[in-house]
Amino acid sequence: AQSVSQHNHHVILSEAASLELGCNYSYGGTVNLFWYVQYPGQHLQLLLKYFSGDPLVKGIKGFEAEFIKSKFSFNLRKPSVQWSDTAEYFCAVNAGSSGGYQKVTFGTGTKLQVIP
Amino acid sequence: DTGVSQNPRHKITKRGQNVTFRCDPISEHNRLYWYRQTLGQGPEFLTYFQNEAQLEKSRLLSDRFSAERPKGSFSTLEIQRTEQGDSAMYLCASSPWRGDEAFFGQGTRLTVV
Repeated sequence: AQSVSQHNHHVILSEAASLELGCNYSYGGTVNLFWYVQYPGQHLQLLLKYFSGDPLVKGIKGFEAEFIKSKFSFNLRKPSVQWSDTAEYFCAVNAGSSGGYQKVTFGTGTKLQVIP
Repeated sequence: DTGVSQNPRHKITKRGQNVTFRCDPISEHNRLYWYRQTLGQGPEFLTYFQNEAQLEKSRLLSDRFSAERPKGSFSTLEIQRTEQGDSAMYLCASSPWRGDEAFFGQGTRLTVV
């Protein structure tokens, strides 16, 4: 069975600081990987996804993530955070298939607080 | 609003009562998913449908839980004889068949007292 670990539960940064949130997954086969964001009071939104191809994936709002297969990792990065990035971030994995989005396993989330 | 719609947004019920939640997916999305999210945890997969067929069901889904999608459009999730441990946010999402992204609703927050 697939699983996801997010090591940072709560991160506090000042505006303009760089961000890296860790995500490791456990699954022996091909995977599809996602980062979702949940702003306070809002629904989950997709930040970026990796299915195949270039392991460096660019998403919305200046976020990017790098898939490192040998490390089973998919860390999320942003060079310079803004106060509006304050949210909870979830890494998720889907056992890869040609059948599209199916059962997705989420990590426990990382709460990011950006201080102005 | 053409996003995923969930009703009600909040539900408070007494232990032992039955509750039913509704999810309206994005129009023409074949797949529909139910997740449960408790405090401090990420969403946990419960079940998913392709059209009206329920294709997978998590072991988390006890016999008290049942989900339906009778006409392949909206879905309902029913919890019978609710327990305090059922208190959680119930999330619904939808995606096109073979789509690579699911869109989430705002969820139904259930509190069992």
